[in-house]
Amino acid sequence: DSGVTQTPKHLITATGQRVTLRCSPRSGDLSVYWYQQSLDQGLQFLIQYYNGEERAKGNILERFSAQQFPDLHSELNLSSLELGDSALYFCASSAHLGGTEAFFGQGTRLTVV
Amino acid sequence: GIQVEQSPPDLILQEGANSTLRCNFSDSVNNLQWFHQNPWGQLINLFYIPSGTKQNGRLSATTVATERYSLLYISSSQTTDSGVYFCEIQGAQKLVFGQGTRLTINP
Repeated sequence: DSGVTQTPKHLITATGQRVTLRCSPRSGDLSVYWYQQSLDQGLQFLIQYYNGEERAKGNILERFSAQQFPDLHSELNLSSLELGDSALYFCASSAHLGGTEAFFGQGTRLTVV
Repeated sequence: GIQVEQSPPDLILQEGANSTLRCNFSDSVNNLQWFHQNPWGQLINLFYIPSGTKQNGRLSATTVATERYSLLYISSSQTTDSGVYFCEIQGAQKLVFGQGTRLTINP
């Protein structure tokens, strides 16, 4: 158990819908990262938050947004879902911005039908 | 941005064989980690190794930061070692993953 909790584990929804993925970082970790892994693809960095503030953005679509709350949990919102958004979404946390070990949650498997 | 290249992309071995996976990176980094993604999709931390050598059972890793590469050694492979091995670099702010090495261990 990495200490990073992601909910839900599985999600099936229809095209055009909106979903929210939740991540609780390890106790004491201030930095949260979101990643997308499509079928047989590598891990694509989406966005990073540190202590409530957005710190880095990767290949995140405009239909996607995220935030980190005062209690440090984070949510990734995906809207106007398309079939191609079906993927495994990972959250990771680390203690600080850099130079510390990152731990990954078990992921949320999103299927858009 | 930082580029991360892993080799080989695929590796098929018989149980009991040894293997070496390589990760090259293009710039100086704050840290480096190796992960194993099992067939169920879980990402399991193997090593946090910004430099030096570490060992954990049948697995060991070496990072030579000045030459910008890291190696993961797996000895006496078991079928449970199958999966994808990722090298991850932490640059200025984001985590950058290589494309992975898909390891298949046949009984």
